[in-house]
Amino acid sequence: AQSVTQPDIHITVSEGASLELRCNYSYGATPYLFWYVQSPGQGLQLLLKYFSGDTLVQGIKGFEAEFKRSQSSFNLRKPSVHWSDAAEYFCAVGAHNNNDMRFGAGTRLTVKP
Amino acid sequence: EAGVTQFPSHSVIEKGQTVTLRCDPISGHDNLYWYRRVMGKEIKFLLHFVKESKQDESGMPNNRFLAERTGGTYSTLKVQPAELEDSGVYFCASSQDQGPSTGELFFGEGSRLTVL
Repeated sequence: AQSVTQPDIHITVSEGASLELRCNYSYGATPYLFWYVQSPGQGLQLLLKYFSGDTLVQGIKGFEAEFKRSQSSFNLRKPSVHWSDAAEYFCAVGAHNNNDMRFGAGTRLTVKP
Repeated sequence: EAGVTQFPSHSVIEKGQTVTLRCDPISGHDNLYWYRRVMGKEIKFLLHFVKESKQDESGMPNNRFLAERTGGTYSTLKVQPAELEDSGVYFCASSQDQGPSTGELFFGEGSRLTVL
């Protein structure tokens, strides 16, 4: 069965600094990979997803993620963080249907002024 | 278009009491999912409805949990009697299709349950 590890529980970055959130997955075949964000008082929102093709995926709000099969990783990046990016971020891996989706434990991002 | 709405946003009950959580999916979405996040842990799948039918309830922890979706519209998740370990955030999500490639999940804000 698939699983996801987000090694960083909490990350603090300064506004304007670059960001990388780590995600490692375990899955036997080519996975479907997702990043979701939950801002305070909001539901989880899909940032981006990878199914196939170009391993560098662009998402909303200026985020991107790179699928690296050799490292079983799907790290999320943003070149310049804004204060509004403070939220909790979840990596997820899916299979053939949504029932099989597995989420990581989340990484909470704090943005310093 | 309204998103997925959940009620209540936060519920505090005592051990042994009953709580019912409600989810209204996006109109027209046949697929409705319940997930739970226990404090600091990963979000875990509980069950999946297709219209009013339970497609998959393999994630339901035990028989104290009962989910319904009468008429294929809104869904309720009842916990009776609640135990301390039931505390967490219960998320509802809906999608048009079942597969991750075509069925993007739209999540509600979650219902936080605290059992004292």
